[in-house]
Amino acid sequence: DARVTQTPRHKVTEMGQEVTMRCQPILGHNTVFWYRQTMMQGLELLAYFRNRAPLDDSGMPKDRFSAEMPDATLATLKIQPSEPRDSAVYFCASGLNFASPLHFGNGTRLTVT
Amino acid sequence: GQQLNQSPQSMFIQEGEDVSMNCTSSSIFNTWLWYKQDPGEGPVLLIALYKAGELTSNGRLTAQFGITRKDSFLNISASIPSDVGIYFCAGQLQTADYKLSFGAGTTVTVRA
Repeated sequence: DARVTQTPRHKVTEMGQEVTMRCQPILGHNTVFWYRQTMMQGLELLAYFRNRAPLDDSGMPKDRFSAEMPDATLATLKIQPSEPRDSAVYFCASGLNFASPLHFGNGTRLTVT
Repeated sequence: GQQLNQSPQSMFIQEGEDVSMNCTSSSIFNTWLWYKQDPGEGPVLLIALYKAGELTSNGRLTAQFGITRKDSFLNISASIPSDVGIYFCAGQLQTADYKLSFGAGTTVTVRA
């Protein structure tokens, strides 16, 4: 089965450090979404792309988060500087198009100390 | 985002039992999706519903899209230990952005 691949699976870092999370969407999918999952907030939408163009990143703290798609096979989510409250599991999901169900990766578990 | 109310929040079930969970919203959705998340993994799509009133099965799972497009339920028949996990409903609005809103999840634990 085709899968969304996320790296790293786990990341532990100190407050103030830069964190970069990577996602390889399923080949041929033209929508990519970033979600954050915490116990308190559940699954929150951070940003999403269509055909590599960012459509909405209103869910992200703009001062520290940035999301990009350098090419069709790579999406990145960066946090700089990281803070303890950023600790969460970050999921990338891709879809064939906007009307299609999303397929999720296995997430990056981020811990900021 | 649009609020989806998912219930129950958690459930303990006996192996072999049938279980049901549901999701409601004040908004009308174009698509309802049901996902399952196992520990340490991402949500996996179980069933997608596209038409009001649609009833769809996937093995022991059955889901229905409410007539009003504001609710959906998921049934699991003859539960087994591997049904343990968190089940999420998700709704997709027919707007320009097709954002997917998630319910808070139903945690299912099976007693052997």
